[in-house]
Amino acid sequence: QVQLQQSGPGLVKPSQTLSVTCAISGDSVSGNSAAWNWIRQSPSKGLEWLGRIYYRSKWSTDYAVSVKSRITINPDTSTNQFSLQLSSVTPEDTAVYYCARGIATTAFDYWGQGTLVTVSS
Amino acid sequence: DIQLTQSPSFLSASVGDRVTITCRASQGISSYLAWYQQEPGKAPKLLIYTASTLQSGVPSRFSGSGSGTEFTLTISSLQPEDFATYYCQQFKSFPFTFGPGTKVDIK
Repeated sequence: QVQLQQSGPGLVKPSQTLSVTCAISGDSVSGNSAAWNWIRQSPSKGLEWLGRIYYRSKWSTDYAVSVKSRITINPDTSTNQFSLQLSSVTPEDTAVYYCARGIATTAFDYWGQGTLVTVSS
Repeated sequence: DIQLTQSPSFLSASVGDRVTITCRASQGISSYLAWYQQEPGKAPKLLIYTASTLQSGVPSRFSGSGSGTEFTLTISSLQPEDFATYYCQQFKSFPFTFGPGTKVDIK
């Protein structure tokens, strides 16, 4: 059974960098069949896919254009985790952030519990 | 970006009712569509993928159909645990986008 456990600070100041980590159990971040995604949810924007990372002989990432200049998703194979960093945050980045496993191009079948991140001074 | 719209946005129904939710895409997405259920304070839960394939462990009262630009999620007999918000999502092209949701409430 795959489980995703998220961790990260709940409060970030404007202009700083938001960081959330997702620990994977029951699968491998460097496995050849899954992609590891970040999605956020806010009342104003609904569910918004931010990006993903996957390994197919080499590491690759895909990012949403809306955040492409500010987002970085990195794997950590030593701890079987992956992380989200979003720089230069504003109050509009306030949301619940989710990590999720994607299988092929079919769906997100496992999700983390969600991390509420508030951007405020 | 591919836009997804859902109708209705809100649905009031009773236990035992048959419920149908529609998702429309702004352009053809073949069968690259998934449906999720979300309860308050929880992460979305996958119900259906590739438009009509039931995810393992999901009750058979849930079914999905459609292809191209119009899709439906049907709950054949609504149960108390089904009162939640339902989202569609497309995987045809980046960015993967979600519909705005349909909230199913108790009549």
